[in-house]
Amino acid sequence: DAKTTQPPSMDCAEGRAANLPCNHSTISGNEYVYWYRQIHSQGPQYIIHGLKNNETNEMASLIITEDRKSSTLILPHATLRDTAVYYCIVRRGGGTSYGKLTFGQGTILTVHP
Amino acid sequence: EPEVTQTPSHQVTQMGQEVILRCVPISNHLYFYWYRQILGQKVEFLVSFYNNEISEKSEIFDDQFSVERPDGSNFTLKIRSTKLEDSAMYFCASSLSLMSNQPQHFGDGTRLSIL
Repeated sequence: DAKTTQPPSMDCAEGRAANLPCNHSTISGNEYVYWYRQIHSQGPQYIIHGLKNNETNEMASLIITEDRKSSTLILPHATLRDTAVYYCIVRRGGGTSYGKLTFGQGTILTVHP
Repeated sequence: EPEVTQTPSHQVTQMGQEVILRCVPISNHLYFYWYRQILGQKVEFLVSFYNNEISEKSEIFDDQFSVERPDGSNFTLKIRSTKLEDSAMYFCASSLSLMSNQPQHFGDGTRLSIL
């Protein structure tokens, strides 16, 4: 699976947009970009995923660059409850190891009042 | 919204004892996973399971570990002869399929403490 690089920590003011970057320069054409978050040792929570098009759901938006080498997760109006570790994961699209998720250290997002 | 449930939330066990961690995956999901997270470390994949067989396992998943789907709803992880280093959060996950466009959904975990 392609390796991802995320900043170790970021801060955001409550009510503002949080933009979390992720680099995945070795991504292959059939690999999806997934975002999960983990709030205070709870189980990882699925946020959003995409292949090459931008995606939006009720939680967030995912912007993937045209060359697919990087992406940005956008939380449009961050709240204190969005304080968590955010993981960007590239998941293989086929082959024998396309089930598991490989977590990195993620980005610790702290939302301030 | 359907969710993955895990029991117990906290398990304390003496070293050398056997422990069984239980999970109820989302009802229409067919693929099941166990991950663990040692305190302060990354979430690590242990095993995936489909159609009553292990699909994939990591190097961590050695002979002391086993998984089972004893009935139509539960998915269990058994650790025989527990060791101190087995202390961790254990997360169960499930997905509709193994296809990479199908997300895995996680439970809130069981905290296993080995004394």
